[in-house]
Amino acid sequence: QVRLVQSGAGVQKPGASVKVSCKASGYTFTTYDIHWVRQATGQGLEWMGWMNPNNGNTGYAQKFQGRVTMTRDISISTAYMELNNLRPDDTAVYYCAREEYDPSWPGLDWFDPWGQGTLVTVSS
Amino acid sequence: QSVLTQPPSASGTPGQRVTISCSGSSPNIGNNFVFWYQHLPGTAPKLLIFRNNQRPSGVPDRFSGSKSATSASLAISGLRSEDEADYYCASWDDSLSGVIFGGGTKVTVL
Repeated sequence: QVRLVQSGAGVQKPGASVKVSCKASGYTFTTYDIHWVRQATGQGLEWMGWMNPNNGNTGYAQKFQGRVTMTRDISISTAYMELNNLRPDDTAVYYCAREEYDPSWPGLDWFDPWGQGTLVTVSS
Repeated sequence: QSVLTQPPSASGTPGQRVTISCSGSSPNIGNNFVFWYQHLPGTAPKLLIFRNNQRPSGVPDRFSGSKSATSASLAISGLRSEDEADYYCASWDDSLSGVIFGGGTKVTVL
C-alpha cells in the first residue's frame, strides 16, 4: 500500500539544524509532490512548503524562506526537509504528505497519505 | 490569525448534527478547492473531504462538505464518540502562493 515513513524524533539545540526524512513506498515516487506541514504543541497545522520529486522544484511558505530546504534522493524514494537556525518555537511535530496528482487540474489537490510525524524538540 | 477562519470549538450529543464553518476570501476558497482533514492527537491527519464535497472511500457518509463563494462547511451527522477530534479546512491561496489551513475546530461529543 502507499506509505510515507518518517525518521525518528530528536532533540536539537537552538541555532542547530535538523533534517527529517520521509521514505515513500507503494507508488512511483517521482509522480507526486511532497508537502511538509508542522504542528507545534497546542497549535494548528502549519504548511511549510512543497517539492516536486521529479525535477526538484520547490515552493516555501514565506515564513520559512531562507531557513528551510526540501530535497530528495530518487534512488531511495526519500524526501527530506531541513530546517536551519532552530529556535525553541520550532518545537513541533513535522509531517510529510503526498499530494494527489491529476494532470487535468493544475491547482492544489488533496494530501493523502501523511507520514506518521516526527517530533523535533529544540531545547538547550 | 489564520487566513481561513474556523470556530475554535463545536460540540453535540451522540446522534446530533454538527456543522463547522470555514471562511476565506477570493484568492483562496473563492478560486480553489477546499479540503477537510480530521486530526486525532498522536496520529497523522486523515483526509475527510476533497475537492469541496467529495468523500474518499472509507470515510462514512455521515461526513459531508460544501462550498459557496468564499466559504465552506463540514457537516457531521449522527455524531459518534469516535468523531471527537480536531478538524481543519485547507485550500490554496493565490496571493500567498501557498497552502493555508484554518485554525482548526475541536469537536467534543457530550
